[in-house]
Amino acid sequence: EDKVVQSPLSLVVHEGDTVTLNCSYEVTNFRSLLWYKQEKKAPTFLFMLTSSGIEKKSGRLSSILDKKELFSILNITATQTGDSAVYLCAVINTDKLIFGTGTRLQVFP
Amino acid sequence: DAGVIQSPRHEVTEMGQEVTLRCKPISGHNSLFWYRQTMMRGLELLIYFNNNVPIDDSGMPEDRFSAKMPNASFSTLKIQPSEPRDSAVYFCASRLSGGAYTQYFGPGTRLTVL
Repeated sequence: EDKVVQSPLSLVVHEGDTVTLNCSYEVTNFRSLLWYKQEKKAPTFLFMLTSSGIEKKSGRLSSILDKKELFSILNITATQTGDSAVYLCAVINTDKLIFGTGTRLQVFP
Repeated sequence: DAGVIQSPRHEVTEMGQEVTLRCKPISGHNSLFWYRQTMMRGLELLIYFNNNVPIDDSGMPEDRFSAKMPNASFSTLKIQPSEPRDSAVYFCASRLSGGAYTQYFGPGTRLTVL
């Protein structure tokens, strides 16, 4: 059965800290891996990763994929309270997304 | 662009009642997805359509759930009869097949079944 596992489930940090969120997967017909940020509403798209070893970067967020070891990490440097959210990892299997249960990040001032 | 539109945004009903959730995808998108999100199970795909045709409904929990897409701009998810364990946030998402794989999510419908 296809599965996507995220860790940790929950993370509490102070502003300025750096965090690393993990996503591992076992999926048939893997195409790509996506990261989403979900605050109190719908998930919003962050990154799509298709090739191993190529870092995607957007401001303080960056992500990389390892297709040999079947995992991805999302790094957030110099965290801010606005980074508080649930971060979802999803893998494209053929033409549908399979989501992990997410990591809840809380950033305190 | 208005984005994906869902209605209602909140629904409270009693067990046994029929519930209909509605979704209007982004204009021009030809794939539509229905998800359910709960604390226990996270975000689960229920069903998805390509060009109005259901492709994979393996995530539909049971016969009480049904989904239709009569045209490219409208889809419904119906629960009949509803049960308390159906309480969740239901998201609709759309994308353009063949393009970059990015699904755009609607704001969700928060369903509470008493």
